Formats: sequence, structure tokens, C-alpha cells
Amino acid sequence: GESVGLHLPTLSVQEGDNSIINCAYSNSASDYFIWYKQESGKGPQFIIDIRSNMDKRQGQRVTVLLNKTVKHLSLQIAATQPGDSAVYFCAENDGGSQGNLIFGKGTKLSVKP
Amino acid sequence: EPEVTQTPSHQVTQMGQEVILRCVPISNHLYFYWYRQILGQKVEFLVSFYNNEISEKSEIFDDQFSVERPDGSNFTLKIRSTKLEDSAMYFCASSAGWAGVQDTQYFGPGTRLTVL
Repeated sequence: GESVGLHLPTLSVQEGDNSIINCAYSNSASDYFIWYKQESGKGPQFIIDIRSNMDKRQGQRVTVLLNKTVKHLSLQIAATQPGDSAVYFCAENDGGSQGNLIFGKGTKLSVKP
Repeated sequence: EPEVTQTPSHQVTQMGQEVILRCVPISNHLYFYWYRQILGQKVEFLVSFYNNEISEKSEIFDDQFSVERPDGSNFTLKIRSTKLEDSAMYFCASSAGWAGVQDTQYFGPGTRLTVL
């Protein structure tokens, strides 16, 4: 994978608006995808997951969409709150391996009050 | 709610020294993992562990690294002779199953390792 360095893609939204964070994955053999939220100085926190036999899954205020044709994953957050401010990573299982997760680059979500 | 815990939260060491990072996975989980995150970069897989042996390891996990489950609750990562480039956040994770059957990995808060 390529190096990201210190420059994360940033999404800035107004409190109460909906947020959409996108992710492209690389491995066609991956069959399980997860979104994690990482706040500064903390570990990745599980948000929602989806299997490859689904194209949409909803949780509380969050929806994950999976488009296997173009290998694209998105996370939608409804009514974004200041507490949603964090870096969001998508991750895929390394298809066929014993649990090796491959993380994406991360998107920094900034919520303006 | 059960959670993965890690100690210490911050470890400072001199280059060439050995460090042991400690983790207590969620109690009924069977699969354990170590990941690292260099500042500003993405999380990278190091190693997975099941049934008291390594299941898989990445290219990063060379001979300087080892893992151990010394008792029924702890899971450790040892770096024998630290290098400057080992400075990173190290995350432990655990899951009830493995991601091949889609069991969620839960991450600890991490240990920040600083090698001087």
C-alpha cells in the first residue's frame, strides 16, 4: 500500500447535516468490510460491518453501502454531531486469510457546531 | 461492556533495548492480533494468533518480533532490539472468531512506543 504521510482527506460538515465518507478497496477476494472510527490518541472503534453478499446495512444513524462492481464502500452518517468528529477507516479482510484486516487511508471528519 | 486493555499507554525506550507490550483481550475471545500505526499513517497488520501459535504474520513482523500468551488472560508483543522506525502506536485486537467468518475485531486503546 502507498504511504499517506500526514495529509488525510478531510470532510468538513455542519452539525445536523448528513456525512458521506467513501473508500475504495483493492482485493476482489475480500468478503467482509468494516468501518472503524478513531479519535485522537485512541484505538479504532467498531462502527458497522457488511458482508459481500449484501449491498446495504443500517445501524443507528449509520449506513454502509457496498458496490462490489467498482469495489467501493461508503459510510453515511445521519444528523452528524460534534462527537462524530474523528478519523474514519474502512477495513477489509484479506480474503481467505486468518483475520488479517487491511485498513484504508482514513478520512478525517470535522463537524462544525 | 467488555473491552481490550493495553499497558503501558506510553513506552519510551532507547534504541537496541527490548520492550514488551501487554494486552488483555476480551475474555471469551479466541483470536488475537497486533497492529501498528505510524504517526499519520494507516493501521497495518502485524500478526494474528490462535490456539497458542501464530496464524499469520506480515512482512513487518520479522525476527525482532515475537508474541506470546503467557497465561489465560495476557497477550504480549516483544520487540527484541528496538529501532527508531519501530516508533508507532501498537494496537492489540481480539475477536471471537476470525474475519474469514466475519467476526468483529475489537481494538484496545494502544501503546505509544517511542524509540530514542
